[in-house]
Amino acid sequence: EAGVAQSPRYKIIEKRQSVAFWCNPISGHATLYWYQQILGQGPKLLIQFQNNGVVDDSQLPKDRFSAERLKGVDSTLKIQPAKLEDSAVYLCASSFSGGDTDTQYFGPGTRLTVL
Amino acid sequence: DQQVKQNSPSLSVQEGRISILNCDYTNSMFDYFLWYKKYPAEGPTFLISISSIKDKNEDGRFTVFLNKSAKHLSLHIVPSQPGDSAVYFCAASAPYGGSQGNLIFGKGTKLSVKP
Repeated sequence: EAGVAQSPRYKIIEKRQSVAFWCNPISGHATLYWYQQILGQGPKLLIQFQNNGVVDDSQLPKDRFSAERLKGVDSTLKIQPAKLEDSAVYLCASSFSGGDTDTQYFGPGTRLTVL
Repeated sequence: DQQVKQNSPSLSVQEGRISILNCDYTNSMFDYFLWYKKYPAEGPTFLISISSIKDKNEDGRFTVFLNKSAKHLSLHIVPSQPGDSAVYFCAASAPYGGSQGNLIFGKGTKLSVKP
């Protein structure tokens, strides 16, 4: 079974530029998550999708971050404009149904460096 | 305010001995706890979980203990192997709000198992 795919793996941009990350979850998984992991910290949830609807985006900085999952499968996370403090690893995860005991499977992440 | 705390940033253990990783939480609403393992340049991988109705769960060399009254859980690895060297994240899930499955992670503990 293929795991969660993410691209690109690494991205370096200058502040005020825009960037987009892509995620393809495990086939059949209804729930998709985007996490931000700053160096030395644990992952922090940014947004959770159930199929193509947003379940929780309370921690997403909506003035600069946006995400979509239009067809309920792939998802993109965008930052525009980027700030220095956005340097982090952006992790995508998926789970079968999104229940609180449902295992989340993580992709390898995209490491973003903002200069 | 950190709801899940891993107070030891690192732990070094000799191969064959027991590794004990600790985690404390503050929110009594948490009812499901997980441990994830993370190797460099990879996403976190699910290791083991425990429901709040249990106080112990075993899976091979890995055992998780939960002490609800102390709001404390621990992961025991016996015997420890060099391949266990990784960062271990404790995470908690709460069934409240609109985001079931929302995981709150600790900062992680880096385990080094020396041959």
